[in-house]
Amino acid sequence: ETGVTQTPRHLVMGMTNKKSLKCEQHLGHNAMYWYKQSAKKPLELMFVYNFKEQTENNSVPSRFSPECPNSSHLFLHLHTLQPEDSALYLCASSQDPTGLSSYEQYFGPGTRLTVT
Amino acid sequence: GQNIDQPTEMTATEGAIVQINCTYQTSGFNGLFWYQQHAGEAPTFLSYNVLDGLEEKGRFSSFLSRSKGYSYLLLKELQMKDSASYLCALRKAGTALIFGKGTTLSVSS
Repeated sequence: ETGVTQTPRHLVMGMTNKKSLKCEQHLGHNAMYWYKQSAKKPLELMFVYNFKEQTENNSVPSRFSPECPNSSHLFLHLHTLQPEDSALYLCASSQDPTGLSSYEQYFGPGTRLTVT
Repeated sequence: GQNIDQPTEMTATEGAIVQINCTYQTSGFNGLFWYQQHAGEAPTFLSYNVLDGLEEKGRFSSFLSRSKGYSYLLLKELQMKDSASYLCALRKAGTALIFGKGTTLSVSS
């Protein structure tokens, strides 16, 4: 595997279900991110992890719970979601999270989530 | 806060040149990124501007003017495969990227 991988690619879940999204980066980066992409809206930053420590939570509801066990893996645990949470969830990684360099972010293919 | 504005849609023909504009209001940022996103795929990096001026990478160029709060992405010799969404994003210190809504470009033959 190369780059950033995400599983599953598609997920349908009921509002009472609990599920998890997984992201893995094979680039040796030290920062990982979760973004949400809804139709007609900009990509929205959800969480930032730097060396396994959460450095940003962009006012995300507690029904989304991130976990970063190491610099290569990132999870997003989902529970009691709402239909408006249906979106494409993108994971990204980068070498430098401080914003002081030009290191770009590499995105995974995303998980298309549908909440019924 | 920061408002990032891009045209929603643009159309062009093969071989043409197209300019996609991005305007923003923000209190400060480290640099401005452009990403390309094909339907159903991940965004991929195109260019990064930190200083005012033009950055050229093959058929794609990006320009930044901090004083005017303005950037553009220039695509030359358009090809059908350039049909995609083009995302403008600001990088602020200590945070990840702040994205505009993106511009969907349709290239026809």
